[in-house]
Amino acid sequence: AQKVTQTQTSISVMEKTTVTMDCVYETQDSSYFLFWYKQTASGEIVFLIRQDSYKKENATVGHYSLNFQKPKSSIGLIITATQIEDSAVYFCAMRGNTGGADRLTFGKGTQLIIQP
Amino acid sequence: EAAVTQSPRNKVAVTGGKVTLSCNQTNNHNNMYWYRQDTGHGLRLIHYSYGAGSTEKGDIPDGYKASRPSQENFSLILELATPSQTSVYFCASGGLGDNQDTQYFGPGTRLLVL
Repeated sequence: AQKVTQTQTSISVMEKTTVTMDCVYETQDSSYFLFWYKQTASGEIVFLIRQDSYKKENATVGHYSLNFQKPKSSIGLIITATQIEDSAVYFCAMRGNTGGADRLTFGKGTQLIIQP
Repeated sequence: EAAVTQSPRNKVAVTGGKVTLSCNQTNNHNNMYWYRQDTGHGLRLIHYSYGAGSTEKGDIPDGYKASRPSQENFSLILELATPSQTSVYFCASGGLGDNQDTQYFGPGTRLLVL
């Protein structure tokens, strides 16, 4: 069975700084996909960025990047030059290749607070 | 980007009543999903579908049925609603394309069962 763990319940940082949110996962699959989603205060869930396990290069989209450490089963989300509107709950998720194709397993989320 | 809509956005139901939550997606994705979100549990998969006519049980299917009459539509049905089913329900779609395996979420439906 797959498992995704986000140990940071809440993080507070100053605006314009860099923040890293941690995520570790467990899977028996040799190939898998990792995702980060953002849930805004309105409840909307937005896809941010993904990492395919077979790719060695860390994914980057805008001011979001990933720190993929495969030997540690870790996929951290890095947000640079944070803005007030980055305040949200961030979910890490993964999808393996067995146990029902395309099923995502989610972590419980990390609340990010950006202070002015 | 996938467009996923849900209706109703808010619903109050009585215990024992039937509730139908609807989801529509316009990106021609094969796969659709229903999740519920509760404090302390995160997002949990209820049912999913690989295409029209297909429904599969997720991790917490008890008390729920699903229906996929077409590529675009996926419904979640609570035949006998109970207060424990009070939650926020999210529909998602995903499939082939540039972001294969990525799921895109609807805005959610807030359900209160009294």
